[in-house]
Amino acid sequence: SSELTQDPAVSVALGQTVRITCQGDSLRSYYATWYQQKPGQAPVLVIYGKTNRPSGIPDRFSGSSSGNTASLTITGAQAEDEAAYYCNSRDSSGNHPHEVFGGGTKLTVL
Amino acid sequence: QVQLQESGPGLVKPSQTLSLTCTVSGGSISSGDYYWSWIRQPPGKGLEWIGYIYYSGSTYYNPSLKSRVTISRDTSKNQFSLRLSSVTAADTAVYFCARFISGYDYVVFDYWGQGTLVTVSS
Repeated sequence: SSELTQDPAVSVALGQTVRITCQGDSLRSYYATWYQQKPGQAPVLVIYGKTNRPSGIPDRFSGSSSGNTASLTITGAQAEDEAAYYCNSRDSSGNHPHEVFGGGTKLTVL
Repeated sequence: QVQLQESGPGLVKPSQTLSLTCTVSGGSISSGDYYWSWIRQPPGKGLEWIGYIYYSGSTYYNPSLKSRVTISRDTSKNQFSLRLSSVTAADTAVYFCARFISGYDYVVFDYWGQGTLVTVSS
């Protein structure tokens, strides 16, 4: 089965740029989708498709992809961006396609 | 604006069946090219997809849970439900319902409920 691998924790200084990565074979077929989750809350969609942002998501969030690695970039990180970030894709290997999530990256804004 | 709300018991005994319902407003679960999903998150851990029901009524489950999971719907109430049998402490988690879209080269859970904590304990 395909897994999605994320670094458990990343930190960034306020106002600087940070890249959060996600690796997995499924990303060769599907773009990663990214979610932001703050403690005690449901995940919020931030990036989907090639680099689409839902309404209300600041343009400092962007996505990119190369081979089996997807990245979420926050350009000019703000204090309110401190959260866990999860990537998501589809594992189409095997007989039954199913949805998978990365283990999550906890972003600390210093 | 689509809204989802989970409901159900917060405590389930080991070996029993967990049952949750998701009530959807702002959109019909029996129209549009959407899948209505369940996802869970054990305390302090990551997200796990459980399964979904398509607007047509077809169901799809995570292979790791398939033998214990049933997702059904009540279109008259615009609700869909999760049943997870033979639960253990490992099934303790926050359970979310969400709307899912399957694109050509991406997938996305675009609307989520607030989640409900289910604890498995005697």
